[in-house]
Amino acid sequence: EIVMTQSPVTLSVSPGERATLSCRASQSVGTNLAWYQQKPGQAPRLLIYGASTRATGIPARFSGSGSGTEFTLTISSLQSEEFAVYFCQHYNDWPLTFGGGTKVEIK
Amino acid sequence: QVQLVESGGGVVQPGRSLRLSCAASGFTFSSYAMYWVRQAPGKGLEWVTVISYDGSVKYYAGSVKGRFTISRDDAKNTLYLQMNSLRGEDTAIYYCARDQRQHSYGYPLEYWGQGTLVTVSS
Repeated sequence: EIVMTQSPVTLSVSPGERATLSCRASQSVGTNLAWYQQKPGQAPRLLIYGASTRATGIPARFSGSGSGTEFTLTISSLQSEEFAVYFCQHYNDWPLTFGGGTKVEIK
Repeated sequence: QVQLVESGGGVVQPGRSLRLSCAASGFTFSSYAMYWVRQAPGKGLEWVTVISYDGSVKYYAGSVKGRFTISRDDAKNTLYLQMNSLRGEDTAIYYCARDQRQHSYGYPLEYWGQGTLVTVSS
């Protein structure tokens, strides 16, 4: 089983600032990596797939990068509605696994 | 628009069974692989199971293998999760989700339902 590790667990950012989230896989997943956003009381929403491709309707301030075992999600200028928990997930093989999440909170 | 609506959650005693349903609309259900993902209270996401678009392939997480069964009824546009021998650690919100790609499986989860809460407690 591939273990996904996200850091930091909590990220304190001021509105308008950049947020950089990391995700590490215990073995290579190529670019079979997705990022999801989850707000309190809501289902997760797909943000990024293929490590760097934005899903439909996702604003350009969200960007993903990386391949193999190291990945990054960057939110260039945080809006108030984007304070949430972010999860990475690989889909390279079975079982699918998620990272533990990074909570982006208001500084 | 794509809609996924889960139902069937509730409080159940350890060792008992429960069946969850997920009603799909807004897309050709029979063309997509479907998933169940769960989230224990205040915790992260855990993939549970997947069924391919034609029902021929099913995979399960080790934590539920042999106890849970995924199935689909394309005539009713409905996904199911039969959960037997329930344990306390199965307590979670259960989400159904749709694969991103048609006629395939193992791709990102593009659409999610709002989830249904299952509580296993005596």
